[in-house]
Amino acid sequence: NAGVIQTPRHKVTGKGQEATLWCEPISGHSAVFWYRQTIVQGLEFLTYFRNQAPIDDSGMPKERFSAQMPNQSHSTLKIQSTQPQDSAVYLCASSLVDQDTQYFGPGTRLLVL
Amino acid sequence: GEKVEQHESTLSVREGDSAVINCTYTDTASSYFPWYKQEAGKSLHFVIDIRSNVDRKQSQRLTVLLDKKAKRFSLHITATQPEDSAIYFCAASMNYNQGKLIFGQGTKLSIKP
Repeated sequence: NAGVIQTPRHKVTGKGQEATLWCEPISGHSAVFWYRQTIVQGLEFLTYFRNQAPIDDSGMPKERFSAQMPNQSHSTLKIQSTQPQDSAVYLCASSLVDQDTQYFGPGTRLLVL
Repeated sequence: GEKVEQHESTLSVREGDSAVINCTYTDTASSYFPWYKQEAGKSLHFVIDIRSNVDRKQSQRLTVLLDKKAKRFSLHITATQPEDSAIYFCAASMNYNQGKLIFGQGTKLSIKP
């Protein structure tokens, strides 16, 4: 079992550029969650899919951030016009249907210069 | 919305002693309470959880206690070992089956030889 896979592990972008982060959930897991971790804000929920359908995006910044899950094997988080305050570790987690336990990937460390 | 507070930002115990990390939550609708461990430079690793239908759960050296009346839950680690050193995060979720996690700010546990 490879666990949750996130790519890239590190990304550096210039202010105003676009960043796309990828997540491959554990095989058979039907729910995918995105979180963001910073020193100041801690761990924050962003958005969540179940069976590829968006369920809760209450944590997503309304502008510039979007997420998709086009198939059961991957999800993407896209940040348009990146800003320095978007610098964070973006974590993806997955879980089985009707199971609470979320398993986290290694994260993508995004640095916006 | 739900808020989770972790009372100890740092905790230092001697190897072999017990450690206790305390969390409180605000929303009585919260029903699922997991704990995660984060070692330096790594992602979140699930360690133990408890659901609101019980008030105690034990797994080897780890015990979680839940006091719904006080809206408080705690992680007890007995016979601490150097490899227990990490940041521990508590979290709460309002859904039994899947749902976003609201995290505490983390407790850095150091085990002294």
